[in-house]
Amino acid sequence: AAGVIQSPRHLIKEKRETATLKCYPIPRHDTVYWYQQGPGQDPQFLISFYEKMQSDKGSIPDRFSAQQFSDYHSELNMSSLELGDSALYFCASSRQGGELFFGEGSRLTVL
Amino acid sequence: AQKVTQAQTEISVVEKEDVTLDCVYETRDTTYYLFWYKQPPSGELVFLIRRNSFDEQNEISGRYSWNFQKSTSSFNFTITASQVVDSAVYFCALSGNAGNMLTFGGGTRLMVKP
Repeated sequence: AAGVIQSPRHLIKEKRETATLKCYPIPRHDTVYWYQQGPGQDPQFLISFYEKMQSDKGSIPDRFSAQQFSDYHSELNMSSLELGDSALYFCASSRQGGELFFGEGSRLTVL
Repeated sequence: AQKVTQAQTEISVVEKEDVTLDCVYETRDTTYYLFWYKQPPSGELVFLIRRNSFDEQNEISGRYSWNFQKSTSSFNFTITASQVVDSAVYFCALSGNAGNMLTFGGGTRLMVKP
């Protein structure tokens, strides 16, 4: 069965650079979520979208933005990267009110 | 505010032992959902179970079982006859409605030694 696809799986950036992560949800899933997991930490909710509109917002820095496109894929844009942004970024998808399925994560390293 | 506490940060057992991972939660919602996820060394989050607040029936799936006690706000996870492949970090999580804005516990790292 198709799962949530995230790209790239690994990304290395320098401080103050910009990074973009992509997420392709499971087909027919209308809701996308982004989570950030720092080293040794639990995942923290960043933001979610339902039917291409932002539905909830968590602890997402102002330097980050995200959107969901007409084909339901989502992108997380991160600017002015800081060392503390180094983390595993998970995308998850669900049907509205349904179970949450996570992608394999994108590991961002900021040097 | 919602909160999930996994008091055990690390557990080490020998293969074939049974092990229980504790999870205690706090929420003011009358309807909520509880989850367990497994995160192996490769990093992905693997869904194990979702339980809604109205269903206190315990569940068994192979070597896995879950004990939901609403009276003590606990949702404990037991692995019977543990195996080396069970070694991972296990997260308990809570949401106010199905699948939305999960609040995770700090995770329990389980190490199963041969």
